[in-house]
Amino acid sequence: QVQLQESGPGLVKPSGTLSLTCAVSGGSISSSNWWSWVRQPPGKGLEWIGEIYHSGSTNYNPSLKSRVTISVDKSKNQFSLKLSSVTAADTAVYYCARERTTVTTLWFDPWGQGTLVTVSS
Amino acid sequence: SYVLTQPPSVSVAPGKTARITCGGNNIGSKSVHWYQQKPGQAPVLVIYYDSDRPSGIPERFSGSNSGNTATLTISRVEAGDEADYYCQVWDSSSDHKVFGTGTKVTVL
Repeated sequence: QVQLQESGPGLVKPSGTLSLTCAVSGGSISSSNWWSWVRQPPGKGLEWIGEIYHSGSTNYNPSLKSRVTISVDKSKNQFSLKLSSVTAADTAVYYCARERTTVTTLWFDPWGQGTLVTVSS
Repeated sequence: SYVLTQPPSVSVAPGKTARITCGGNNIGSKSVHWYQQKPGQAPVLVIYYDSDRPSGIPERFSGSNSGNTATLTISRVEAGDEADYYCQVWDSSSDHKVFGTGTKVTVL
Protein backbone atom coordinates (compact mmCIF):
# COMPACT_ATOMS: atom_id res chain seq x y z
CA GLN A 1 0.00 0.00 0.00
CA VAL A 2 1.12 3.52 -0.70
CA GLN A 3 2.87 5.38 2.10
CA LEU A 4 4.07 8.98 2.17
CA GLN A 5 6.79 10.56 4.29
CA GLU A 6 7.54 14.27 4.59
CA SER A 7 11.03 15.60 5.30
CA GLY A 8 12.72 18.96 5.56
CA PRO A 9 13.91 21.65 7.99
CA GLY A 10 11.75 22.20 11.03
CA LEU A 11 12.80 25.84 11.43
CA VAL A 12 12.80 28.56 8.78
CA LYS A 13 13.68 32.22 9.23
CA PRO A 14 11.15 34.94 8.38
CA SER A 15 11.35 36.04 4.74
CA GLY A 16 13.09 32.77 3.90
CA THR A 17 11.90 29.84 1.82
CA LEU A 18 10.28 26.74 3.27
CA SER A 19 11.33 23.56 1.44
CA LEU A 20 9.82 20.11 2.03
CA THR A 21 9.94 16.79 0.23
CA CYS A 22 7.41 13.96 0.22
CA ALA A 23 8.77 10.49 -0.50
CA VAL A 24 6.28 8.00 -1.94
CA SER A 25 6.73 4.30 -1.23
CA GLY A 26 4.67 1.23 -2.04
CA GLY A 27 3.58 2.71 -5.36
CA SER A 28 4.70 4.85 -8.26
CA ILE A 29 4.38 8.60 -8.35
CA SER A 30 3.76 8.17 -12.06
CA SER A 31 0.48 6.39 -11.44
CA SER A 32 -2.76 8.12 -12.41
CA ASN A 33 -2.96 10.25 -9.29
CA TRP A 34 -2.47 13.83 -8.32
CA TRP A 35 -0.35 14.53 -5.25
CA SER A 36 -1.11 17.32 -2.80
CA TRP A 37 0.25 19.41 0.03
CA VAL A 38 -2.04 20.40 2.92
CA ARG A 39 -1.12 22.41 6.01
CA GLN A 40 -2.54 22.89 9.49
CA PRO A 41 -1.51 25.79 11.76
CA PRO A 42 -1.29 24.83 15.44
CA GLY A 43 -4.78 24.42 16.87
CA LYS A 44 -6.46 25.29 13.58
CA GLY A 45 -8.04 23.58 10.59
CA LEU A 46 -6.77 22.14 7.32
CA GLU A 47 -5.79 24.25 4.30
CA TRP A 48 -5.06 22.86 0.84
CA ILE A 49 -1.86 24.33 -0.62
CA GLY A 50 -1.53 22.80 -4.06
CA GLU A 51 -1.17 19.69 -6.20
CA ILE A 52 0.98 18.14 -8.89
CA TYR A 53 0.66 15.39 -11.50
CA HIS A 54 3.63 13.28 -12.58
CA SER A 55 3.67 15.19 -15.88
CA GLY A 56 4.53 18.29 -13.92
CA SER A 57 1.12 19.94 -14.17
CA THR A 58 0.27 21.93 -11.06
CA ASN A 59 -2.60 23.77 -9.42
CA TYR A 60 -2.30 26.05 -6.42
CA ASN A 61 -4.55 27.61 -3.79
CA PRO A 62 -5.09 31.16 -5.07
CA SER A 63 -4.36 32.56 -1.60
CA LEU A 64 -0.83 31.12 -1.75
CA LYS A 65 -0.21 30.93 -5.48
CA SER A 66 2.28 33.79 -5.68
CA ARG A 67 4.58 32.10 -3.14
CA VAL A 68 4.20 28.38 -3.87
CA THR A 69 6.08 26.05 -6.18
CA ILE A 70 5.44 22.30 -6.28
CA SER A 71 7.70 20.03 -8.32
CA VAL A 72 8.10 16.30 -8.97
CA ASP A 73 11.16 14.05 -9.24
CA LYS A 74 10.03 10.81 -10.86
CA SER A 75 13.51 9.26 -10.62
CA LYS A 76 13.31 9.52 -6.81
CA ASN A 77 9.57 8.86 -6.59
CA GLN A 78 9.00 12.06 -4.65
CA PHE A 79 7.53 15.52 -4.92
CA SER A 80 8.45 18.77 -3.24
CA LEU A 81 7.04 22.01 -1.88
CA LYS A 82 8.66 25.43 -1.80
CA LEU A 83 6.97 28.36 -0.06
CA SER A 84 8.76 31.68 -0.30
CA SER A 85 8.69 34.86 1.78
CA VAL A 86 7.45 33.02 4.84
CA THR A 87 6.11 34.71 7.96
CA ALA A 88 4.99 33.44 11.35
CA ALA A 89 1.56 32.82 9.79
CA ASP A 90 3.12 30.00 7.77
CA THR A 91 4.00 28.07 10.92
CA ALA A 92 2.09 24.82 10.58
CA VAL A 93 2.20 21.06 10.28
CA TYR A 94 2.64 20.31 6.58
CA TYR A 95 1.14 17.11 5.17
CA CYS A 96 1.52 15.47 1.80
CA ALA A 97 -1.31 13.30 0.52
CA ARG A 98 -2.42 11.30 -2.49
CA GLU A 99 -5.58 12.44 -4.23
CA ARG A 100 -8.15 9.94 -5.32
CA THR A 101 -10.16 11.46 -8.15
CA THR A 102 -13.22 10.79 -10.23
CA VAL A 103 -14.92 12.98 -12.81
CA THR A 104 -17.05 14.63 -10.15
CA THR A 105 -15.02 14.62 -6.96
CA LEU A 106 -11.73 13.98 -5.18
CA TRP A 107 -10.53 13.06 -1.72
CA PHE A 108 -7.20 12.59 0.06
CA ASP A 109 -5.95 9.13 0.99
CA PRO A 110 -3.48 8.30 2.37
CA TRP A 111 -1.70 11.12 4.17
CA GLY A 112 1.87 11.41 5.34
CA GLN A 113 2.51 11.69 9.07
CA GLY A 114 3.12 15.44 8.76
CA THR A 115 6.06 17.64 9.68
CA LEU A 116 6.00 20.77 11.83
CA VAL A 117 7.64 23.81 10.31
CA THR A 118 8.17 26.82 12.55
CA VAL A 119 8.95 30.24 11.14
CA SER A 120 11.08 32.13 13.63
CA SER A 121 14.31 34.05 13.84
CA SER B 1 -15.21 30.77 -2.36
CA TYR B 2 -17.16 27.78 -1.11
CA VAL B 3 -17.50 27.57 2.68
CA LEU B 4 -18.15 24.49 4.81
CA THR B 5 -19.40 25.11 8.35
CA GLN B 6 -19.17 22.58 11.18
CA PRO B 7 -20.09 22.89 14.86
CA PRO B 8 -16.92 23.43 16.93
CA SER B 9 -17.71 20.62 19.32
CA VAL B 10 -19.99 17.65 19.94
CA SER B 11 -20.16 15.72 23.20
CA VAL B 12 -21.54 12.21 23.46
CA ALA B 13 -21.73 9.46 26.07
CA PRO B 14 -20.16 6.08 25.35
CA GLY B 15 -22.54 3.76 23.51
CA LYS B 16 -24.64 6.62 22.20
CA THR B 17 -24.80 8.17 18.73
CA ALA B 18 -22.82 11.23 17.61
CA ARG B 19 -23.94 13.29 14.65
CA ILE B 20 -21.58 15.83 13.09
CA THR B 21 -22.98 18.22 10.55
CA CYS B 22 -21.28 19.98 7.64
CA GLY B 23 -23.19 22.88 6.13
CA GLY B 24 -22.66 24.32 2.67
CA ASN B 25 -24.67 25.95 -0.08
CA ASN B 26 -26.43 23.11 -1.94
CA ILE B 27 -23.85 20.66 -0.59
CA GLY B 28 -26.21 17.85 -1.58
CA SER B 29 -25.10 18.39 -5.17
CA LYS B 30 -21.51 17.59 -4.24
CA SER B 31 -19.77 14.50 -2.88
CA VAL B 32 -18.62 14.89 0.73
CA HIS B 33 -15.69 13.16 2.36
CA TRP B 34 -14.87 12.91 6.06
CA TYR B 35 -11.58 12.63 7.95
CA GLN B 36 -10.81 11.70 11.54
CA GLN B 37 -7.78 13.32 13.18
CA LYS B 38 -6.58 12.18 16.58
CA PRO B 39 -4.20 14.41 18.59
CA GLY B 40 -0.72 14.52 17.08
CA GLN B 41 -1.71 12.34 14.14
CA ALA B 42 -2.44 12.85 10.47
CA PRO B 43 -6.02 12.87 9.18
CA VAL B 44 -7.50 9.50 8.23
CA LEU B 45 -10.28 9.06 5.68
CA VAL B 46 -13.37 7.54 7.33
CA ILE B 47 -16.09 8.27 4.74
CA TYR B 48 -15.88 9.08 1.03
CA TYR B 49 -18.52 9.64 -1.63
CA ASP B 50 -20.99 10.80 1.08
CA SER B 51 -21.45 7.37 2.62
CA ASP B 52 -18.80 4.86 1.51
CA ARG B 53 -16.38 3.44 4.08
CA PRO B 54 -12.76 2.64 3.27
CA SER B 55 -11.60 -0.83 4.23
CA GLY B 56 -10.77 -1.04 7.91
CA ILE B 57 -13.25 1.64 9.00
CA PRO B 58 -15.92 0.24 11.35
CA GLU B 59 -19.54 0.02 10.20
CA ARG B 60 -20.36 2.32 13.12
CA PHE B 61 -19.28 5.20 10.87
CA SER B 62 -21.84 6.29 8.29
CA GLY B 63 -22.63 9.37 6.24
CA SER B 64 -25.46 11.13 4.48
CA ASN B 65 -25.82 14.25 2.35
CA SER B 66 -28.85 16.22 1.24
CA GLY B 67 -29.88 19.81 0.66
CA ASN B 68 -27.53 22.14 2.51
CA THR B 69 -26.24 19.66 5.10
CA ALA B 70 -24.04 16.58 5.14
CA THR B 71 -23.87 14.45 8.27
CA LEU B 72 -21.32 12.04 9.69
CA THR B 73 -22.92 9.62 12.15
CA ILE B 74 -20.95 7.58 14.66
CA SER B 75 -23.04 4.85 16.28
CA ARG B 76 -22.21 3.11 19.54
CA VAL B 77 -19.52 5.66 20.28
CA GLU B 78 -16.33 4.41 21.90
CA ALA B 79 -13.61 6.28 23.79
CA GLY B 80 -11.30 5.74 20.82
CA ASP B 81 -13.60 7.83 18.61
CA GLU B 82 -12.58 10.99 20.45
CA ALA B 83 -10.96 13.13 17.77
CA ASP B 84 -11.38 16.08 15.43
CA TYR B 85 -13.50 15.43 12.35
CA TYR B 86 -13.31 17.38 9.08
CA CYS B 87 -15.60 17.33 6.06
CA GLN B 88 -14.21 18.08 2.59
CA VAL B 89 -15.55 18.72 -0.89
CA TRP B 90 -14.18 19.59 -4.30
CA ASP B 91 -15.72 22.80 -5.58
CA SER B 92 -15.54 22.12 -9.31
CA SER B 93 -16.56 25.66 -10.28
CA SER B 94 -13.36 27.06 -8.79
CA ASP B 95 -11.29 23.85 -8.61
CA HIS B 96 -10.88 24.50 -4.89
CA LYS B 97 -10.29 21.65 -2.45
CA VAL B 98 -12.28 22.83 0.56
CA PHE B 99 -12.20 21.58 4.14
CA GLY B 100 -14.76 22.23 6.82
CA THR B 101 -13.95 24.12 9.99
CA GLY B 102 -13.64 20.94 12.01
CA THR B 103 -15.57 19.43 14.93
CA LYS B 104 -14.05 18.14 18.14
CA VAL B 105 -15.86 15.06 19.38
CA THR B 106 -15.61 14.50 23.12
CA VAL B 107 -16.64 11.19 24.65
CA LEU B 108 -18.01 11.87 28.12
